Amino acid sequence: QVQLVQSAAEVQKPGASVKVSCRASGYNFKNYVMNWVRQAPGQGLEWMGWINPYDGNTQSSEKFQGRLTISRETSASTVHMELSSLTLEDTATYYCARLGNGFDPWGQGTLVTVSS
Amino acid sequence: SYDVTQPSSVSVSPGQTARVTCSGDHLGGRFPSWYQQKAGQSPVLVIYEGTKRPSGIPERFSGSTSENTATLTISETQAVDEADYYCQAWDSGIYVFGTGTKVTVL
Repeated sequence: QVQLVQSAAEVQKPGASVKVSCRASGYNFKNYVMNWVRQAPGQGLEWMGWINPYDGNTQSSEKFQGRLTISRETSASTVHMELSSLTLEDTATYYCARLGNGFDPWGQGTLVTVSS
Repeated sequence: SYDVTQPSSVSVSPGQTARVTCSGDHLGGRFPSWYQQKAGQSPVLVIYEGTKRPSGIPERFSGSTSENTATLTISETQAVDEADYYCQAWDSGIYVFGTGTKVTVL
């Protein structure tokens, strides 16, 4: 079955960077765009960006341009999301989600805590 | 930037019908989707392209659209349907989520 497995929780200091990974299985990795969505504690969902694993093309929300990098590692069927210049407001659960008919499925989420 | 608005909360009695409506400019033509998120869990797709239901989603979940709105309807609501529901729209290559609606089954 289609499955997305994300990397473990992270704690980072303000100003640092974080890299979250999402490993896909159960389908042809190159055939589906992958999205990143985050959710701050007690808040709603916020779309961050996507990558086309076939050609590496990306698109991101204006809010994150300049500090968000989405990449893929096709040999490992893995997508990476790196967010730099972290602030306390970046504390959130980060999800990857495959784009098919809507975002389906989603990864289990990775909690990133930014704390001094 | 494109905005989608939805009510913060909806209450429904067991067995009754719950409706959650999202509003946005030309939302009906922006491939609206709906996601259910239960406490502590990842979101789950329940409706895509405004009216289509993924396999495995109960028939009591349905969607409809008009020019500027998308509505999620839960018929014969059950306690297990209590969750946050988010609408989502596509706008020129980017995606936008609504603020979320907490559906409470009283």
